[in-house]
Amino acid sequence: QVQLQESGPGLVKPSETLSLTCTVSGGSISSGSYYWSWLRQPPGKGLEWIGFMHYSGRSDYNPSLKSRATISVDTSKNQFSLKLISVTAADAALYYCARFNFNGPNTHGDYWGQGTLVTVSS
Amino acid sequence: QSVLTQPPSVSAAPGQKVTISCSGSSFNIGNNHVSWYQQLPGTAPKLLIYENNKRPSGIPDRFSGSKSGTSATLGITGLQTGDEADYYCGTWDNSLSTHVVFGGGTQLTVL
Repeated sequence: QVQLQESGPGLVKPSETLSLTCTVSGGSISSGSYYWSWLRQPPGKGLEWIGFMHYSGRSDYNPSLKSRATISVDTSKNQFSLKLISVTAADAALYYCARFNFNGPNTHGDYWGQGTLVTVSS
Repeated sequence: QSVLTQPPSVSAAPGQKVTISCSGSSFNIGNNHVSWYQQLPGTAPKLLIYENNKRPSGIPDRFSGSKSGTSATLGITGLQTGDEADYYCGTWDNSLSTHVVFGGGTQLTVL
């Protein structure tokens, strides 16, 4: 059973960089056609996809966040990470990591972490 | 403003059936598969339906999905109080920039 667990600071100052890590267990991050993803959900609001990366290096990002978000994969640690620069109050949210299946017309997230709350405040 | 359009809320009595719609365009639902997620209060989203109508292992057949043109529908029969949750549709969008998109979510109340 694949499990994902987010970790990182719960509080980030405005204009600084948000850094989160997702540790994958129960499966290899470098197997198959899976794309390792970050999503977020502001309190009381809906889901927003941030981006994803395949272990080969192929990645894609939400156009609205592309200039600020970077996802990286560390196959040696079976982890992947998110860095979001120049954060503002609008970036405060519950951040989820997830495993996405992505091939042809099919995209879906089959395993999700429990989420980690990030607050932006000085 | 979400790319996919869902009703904000639906409700029905225990044992009844409910459907949740998800409307998009030819850039997304019209040419890609739809997935549905259930988010119980205080928990992470859980995959309910993928590739329009397939259920992952462990998802009861009370949950079903369908797609026609640029719209998709989630159906839930034999409603239980434990089904009270937010439901989201999602798919790939091939417009100006390709990316994953979701509906705004539908809150299901089992009266």
